[in-house]
Amino acid sequence: GQQVMQIPQYQHVQEGEDFTTYCNSSTTLSNIQWYKQRPGGHPVFLIQLVKSGEVKKQKRLTFQFGEAKKNSSLHITATQTTDVGTYFCAVPTGNQFYFGTGTSLTVIP
Amino acid sequence: NAGVTQTPKFRILKIGQSMTLQCTQDMNHNYMYWYRQDPGMGLKLIYYSVGAGITDKGEVPNGYNVSRSTTEDFPLRLELAAPSQTSVYFCASSPSRTEAFFGQGTRLTVV
Repeated sequence: GQQVMQIPQYQHVQEGEDFTTYCNSSTTLSNIQWYKQRPGGHPVFLIQLVKSGEVKKQKRLTFQFGEAKKNSSLHITATQTTDVGTYFCAVPTGNQFYFGTGTSLTVIP
Repeated sequence: NAGVTQTPKFRILKIGQSMTLQCTQDMNHNYMYWYRQDPGMGLKLIYYSVGAGITDKGEVPNGYNVSRSTTEDFPLRLELAAPSQTSVYFCASSPSRTEAFFGQGTRLTVV
């Protein structure tokens, strides 16, 4: 199946610091999605990126799709305790969705 | 609008028992998926369906079976439960491989 590497696996930050997670693929992607899963919860869709070099913002969250469409990043500015959770990238491949391994974010108040 | 509903939320099975995890969606989505998530891990695709009557294997189908007789329902069957099947199971649906909507999950323990 589709191999999508996500780094880092874990990240602890002080509240107010920035956070970034990266997804990398060995193949060109048609699009990439990002999801957030709160502790004990289920994944919730955040955004989909389709175009090469695309940048989208949602309040303090900035999503980027690489020029070669092989990598993507999610950046959170000035983290808050409400940002705690695991962030996954997901790649639709054929009729399937492959999820990255996720980055678990802990925010220390 | 309930979205994706999974039942039960929790279940403890003994080794060798069987059970069916139920999943229903009311959004008329063609695509439906079953994932398992082990502690601290990502989501592994078990089975998926692109419409009623059509199912296919994902990455980790062994020990599971599915059926899709209607657009709304996509049950997952575990036969002869094993401790390795202890996990959280998520059902998801999607209109066209765009945004995936997840159920609340079923937490299964096999002892």
